[in-house]
Amino acid sequence: EVRLVESGGGFIQAGGSLRLSCAASGFGVSDNSMTWVRQAPGKGLEWVSVMYTAGEKVYGDSVKGRFTISRDTSKNTMSLHMRSLRADDAALYFCARVGGSGGYIYRNAFDLWGQGTMVTVSS
Amino acid sequence: QSVLSQPAFVSGSPGQSLTISCTGTSSDVGAYNDVSWYQQSPGKAPKLMIYEVSNRPSGVSSRFSGSKSGNTASLTISGLQAEDEADYYCNSYTRSTTFVFGTGTKVTVL
Repeated sequence: EVRLVESGGGFIQAGGSLRLSCAASGFGVSDNSMTWVRQAPGKGLEWVSVMYTAGEKVYGDSVKGRFTISRDTSKNTMSLHMRSLRADDAALYFCARVGGSGGYIYRNAFDLWGQGTMVTVSS
Repeated sequence: QSVLSQPAFVSGSPGQSLTISCTGTSSDVGAYNDVSWYQQSPGKAPKLMIYEVSNRPSGVSSRFSGSKSGNTASLTISGLQAEDEADYYCNSYTRSTTFVFGTGTKVTVL
């Protein structure tokens, strides 16, 4: 089955660090670009970061310098290391696949999503 | 990075058509044909509905269509059904190799 499963969310104090993971099955994380998107409670979607297949890492302005995206091909997972967490980082964090896979190519679109992992930041 | 502008609320009666706009700039929506649309029902992950401005993934109803003119993209839902009630977000790839979402539109079926 092709799926993404996020983990690692939780309750953290402002200024702390947290590492989120996204386990992929049915395809390889290194075969696709992968992205993180977050959604604060009751708010809209906010793009966070992307790791392209060639290894380039790009971040949104609100997390640049604090968050680091990475992948582990041996475990077929993607991660998001979050540091210096702030109250406005509290959100449901989704990982998603970019561009499709196999015979289905969806250029620069997020075709497969996980169910998300919740991050709560206490100030 | 600025977000793309969408109307907050749009409504229609069953069977009608409605259109959601998504306005950006020449650095995002106007730069490439890499605009996608997502449907999100309460408590669910977003679902890809349209990619590359006007293409539908396999399994998405033909009642959903997309278009773009200049810096504004649009999503049209034809033959509105109760199951279409959800939040809809546009997204665009940008000249900075980043992505940006729209502000989101809540669709209500009257």
